[in-house]
Amino acid sequence: GAVVSQHPSWVICKSGTSVKIECRSLDFQATTMFWYRQFPKQSLMLMATSNEGSKATYEQGVEKDKFLINHASLTLSTLTVTSAHPEDSSFYICSVTSLASVRNEQFFGPGTRLTVL
Amino acid sequence: ILNVEQSPQSLHVQEGDSTNFTCSFPSSNFYALHWYRWETAKSPEALFVMTLNGDEKKKGRISATLNTKEGYSYLYIKGSQPEDSATYLCASPFRAAGNKLTFGGGTRVLVKP
Repeated sequence: GAVVSQHPSWVICKSGTSVKIECRSLDFQATTMFWYRQFPKQSLMLMATSNEGSKATYEQGVEKDKFLINHASLTLSTLTVTSAHPEDSSFYICSVTSLASVRNEQFFGPGTRLTVL
Repeated sequence: ILNVEQSPQSLHVQEGDSTNFTCSFPSSNFYALHWYRWETAKSPEALFVMTLNGDEKKKGRISATLNTKEGYSYLYIKGSQPEDSATYLCASPFRAAGNKLTFGGGTRVLVKP
């Protein structure tokens, strides 16, 4: 499977600041990348789907101006949480897939823990 | 609504014991069922991709079965070891959702020495 990294692994920021999270596919041409969010004791909730070179498609209820996604290459996608507030504190995780993946199999990064003070 | 559900939410198992838990999903328009193992501070790791009714897959002491007609999959751990402690997630890429996965809530397994 693909090796996926995320940076940073954790971040603490002040309310009102913006935070950028990187998702890198180290050995895999990721035509599609997904961003998920996980609240405590809940499942992974898909935030958005991004295809390389295209605008991201956001799930219902996810503010696209709040969570900016850029997928500029087949190996890098970024999620920027703009003007972060304490309610944005969560665990954010990305995954990658390609047209060659078996039945839409996804490969995950290790996640980023965001805490907004 | 595309629901994938897992039970139980958590499980305590004595080392050496075997255990199993369930993933249920809508049986109509089934495409595939994925199992992942997610250890703390690591990336979710793909275990199995299952597609055929009656399919059974095995990886070491972990195996899974699939019943697409009734919409469930079981994951079995034989002779549990402390290193099996993790959250086990199932997910289904519903055709209606394109290539997106819908995840269950996970079963958190803790194996006690």
